[in-house]
Amino acid sequence: NAGVMQNPRHLVRRRGQEARLRCSPMKGHSHVYWYRQLPEEGLKFMVYLQKENIIDESGMPKERFSAEFPKEGPSILRIQQVVRGDSAAYFCASSPRLAGATETQYFGPGTRLLVL
Amino acid sequence: DAKTTQPTSMDCAEGRAANLPCNHSTISGNEYVYWYRQIHSQGPQYIIHGLKNNETNEMASLIITEDRKSSTLILPHATLRDTAVYYCIVRFTGNQFYFGTGTSLTVIP
Repeated sequence: NAGVMQNPRHLVRRRGQEARLRCSPMKGHSHVYWYRQLPEEGLKFMVYLQKENIIDESGMPKERFSAEFPKEGPSILRIQQVVRGDSAAYFCASSPRLAGATETQYFGPGTRLLVL
Repeated sequence: DAKTTQPTSMDCAEGRAANLPCNHSTISGNEYVYWYRQIHSQGPQYIIHGLKNNETNEMASLIITEDRKSSTLILPHATLRDTAVYYCIVRFTGNQFYFGTGTSLTVIP
């Protein structure tokens, strides 16, 4: 059973460009979470999605960031007009059912975004 | 979700047990204790979780005090590959895990 897959693993963008990060959850998992980790810091929650629905985006910056999880295909985290402060590791996690106390989240290897 | 307090860093000799403490004095009765680790900027790896009773799996043991205000993660025979940042998280429900700064464990040869 393959784990959570993320691609690309490394992404370099110039300021003002767009970054698209993809996440394929574990087989059988229908819930996806995105986290961001700035250098020397812990992970910070960004958004929680189910298929075709955004459930909780309380951690998403108000501008330039968006996320989707279509009926078919991977979840996409999209960052428009990137700035140097967006440089970070972005991790995706998945879980099988509604988020609850016993629903463990399983994390992917992350995408390292570097904005020049 | 309750806040947790962990030491910033710890060392452990290879082959010895690593005991990582976590204080969660404001934990409520229905909040679980989770442990994850992150090895050199890889994705966080789930280790173990529990509510009241002690738990053990192939990776570690989790000891939760009777009043549930603290817990200890035990790696019974630490290896160099256990060098990582260990995160203690308490969680009832909701959509996210709150990762603090964790404990940086260094296993020494």
